[in-house]
Order: sequence, then C-alpha cells, then structure tokens
Amino acid sequence: GESVGLHLPTLSVQEGDNSIINCAYSNSASDYFIWYKQESGKGPQFIIDIRSNMDKRQGQRVTVLLNKTVKHLSLQIAATQPGDSAVYFCAERPGNFNKFYFGSGTKLNVKP
Amino acid sequence: NAGVMQNPRHLVRRRGQEARLRCSPVKGHSHVYWYRQLPEEGLKFMVYLQKENIIDESGMPKERFSAEFPKEGPSILRIQQVVRGDSAAYFCASSPPAGWNTEAFFGQGTRLTVV
Repeated sequence: GESVGLHLPTLSVQEGDNSIINCAYSNSASDYFIWYKQESGKGPQFIIDIRSNMDKRQGQRVTVLLNKTVKHLSLQIAATQPGDSAVYFCAERPGNFNKFYFGSGTKLNVKP
Repeated sequence: NAGVMQNPRHLVRRRGQEARLRCSPVKGHSHVYWYRQLPEEGLKFMVYLQKENIIDESGMPKERFSAEFPKEGPSILRIQQVVRGDSAAYFCASSPPAGWNTEAFFGQGTRLTVV
C-alpha cells in the first residue's frame, strides 16, 4: 500500500555541505526505487534509481543507499548547491509496472 | 525530443462543471499514468493506461472520474461535476513497456482550481 514515508519534512543545509535525505518504505515486495526532485510549480524530475538487488548506486553528486533489512532508502547529495533546493520524494514500485507509491516529501533548503 | 506534455497548465472550474486534462506522452511511450498531488503532499497514484486499455484504476475515485488513452491522440483525465476537493495538481507520466530501470517521465502538471 501507500506507506512510503520520510523522516524529515524539512532539511536546511549550508551551500557546499553534504545533504542526506531519508525515506522508509513498508512494502517488502518493492523491487525498484526512484528519487525524484520537484521544484516549485514543476513536475517531478528523475534523480537516481536503484534496484532491490543493489545496496548502493552513485550518480553525479548523488548517491542512493538501500537497506532492505530495515526497508530504508537514503539520498546523499554532495556539495549541495542552491539549485538543489526543492522537495525530494522517494518512490517505490512493488509490481512489474510503473505504479509508484510516493512519500510525502522532504523540502531541502540550501542556504548561501 | 519533447517530453510529456500536459495541458492546460492551469484550469479553473466552477463547482459542478467538467474538467478535462490532457496528456501527450513521450513519443514512443505506450504507457501513461495519472497522479494527483495535494499541496505539501506526495503524489498519489490514480490510474495506469496503455493504448485503448485501462490496466489499473485502483487509485481513481469510482464516481465522476474517468480516464482514457485512445489509439490516436492524448490521454484524457475527465472529472465530471467538480467539487472543491478536486482542487489539486494532476500529473501525467509516461514510460515504455515496464521492466528493470524503467523510469517514468513526468509532465509539468495541470493545476486544477475549483471555485
């Protein structure tokens, strides 16, 4: 069901610091996870994804960690920039088509 | 290479009117999904369609809401007799046939305001 949740609704970081956004999911059958970034007035934008047979995946300045034992996802953003300010959602997919369950989001504020 | 196109971006309707939201998927994508987002909340799945077929409408209210994805033309989300509680952002996403690493590409959304 729709039980993806986030620990921190708002996160403020200083420009240049690293950011960590956490997410808990509840469906053990979920096999695919995506982090989306949503800027004000825009649609969700893909950041990075990870499959359930992996525990870590790296992109440009972003890393996603998956801990299936405790059903936890995290998004790490290195050297956070003002342009990273947005709401971040994790989404899980418990089936074999793109019906995603989204968490309520974490708002990231980057202070200059 | 156009992404998912939704129109209109903003739609104002009086209570009792009908709202029609359109979504043109990424070229070549045959799967369309509609999500609803209330302010300060995450996206909630409504319906999943393939061309001419509704695959999963478990997130869509049983009354007043309908969706279609015809063989030709955009996908349409239709809300009849709108009420204030229908005010939300409605997002459409498209993807190629599902499989590993099949992300869904989202449009910019239609913001529906019911007055």
